[in-house]
Amino acid sequence: DAGVTQSPTHLIKTRGQQVTLRCSPKSGHDTVSWYQQALGQGPQFIFQYYEEEERQRGNFPDRFSGHQFPNYSSELNVNALLLGDSALYLCASSSRTSGANVLTFGAGSRLTVL
Amino acid sequence: GDSVTQMEGPVTLSEEAFLTINCTYTATGYPSLFWYVQYPGEGLQLLLKATKADDKGSNKGFEATYRKETTSFHLEKGSVQVSDSAVYFCASRTTDSWGKFQFGAGTQVVVTP
Repeated sequence: DAGVTQSPTHLIKTRGQQVTLRCSPKSGHDTVSWYQQALGQGPQFIFQYYEEEERQRGNFPDRFSGHQFPNYSSELNVNALLLGDSALYLCASSSRTSGANVLTFGAGSRLTVL
Repeated sequence: GDSVTQMEGPVTLSEEAFLTINCTYTATGYPSLFWYVQYPGEGLQLLLKATKADDKGSNKGFEATYRKETTSFHLEKGSVQVSDSAVYFCASRTTDSWGKFQFGAGTQVVVTP
């Protein structure tokens, strides 16, 4: 049973560029959340998607946007990259029909902005 | 707003030593509480959870008890192994229907032979 898969695993961008990160949730999960984890810090909630709509959002600017597809997979887009956007981006899935009480995380996409 | 505070690391222990990582939370109502573990180069893995006061979560020799009176969820293990070296995160989940998770900053644990 495949868990949460994310791509790419590593990428390097320059300031001002745009990036798209992808996530496939665990089989049977319908809700996807994205987190930003800066070096040495805990994950910070970006937003959550269910039924292709953004349901909750953390304290992140509009440069951060997302999408969920009918197959429950999701994308995170970041525009106008800043040096401070360098971090590990984690995707987590859960099952709302099962109470959404546990998150299953992917291994993350490490973004470096130069 | 909701927040989670956990003790700073790194915590360095010898194999077979007793481990405690303190975690306290602030929240409206009674959130579910979790411990996640992150090994180098990997995502977070659920270690244990507790959903109501006085519940004890346990897994792989780790335990944590949901203490409403002290708003705490301290993680303990009686005898650590080198393989327990990792970063441990305490987290809370709000009780609303969408369940927003809040994570602590993480505590690095280093176990030496």
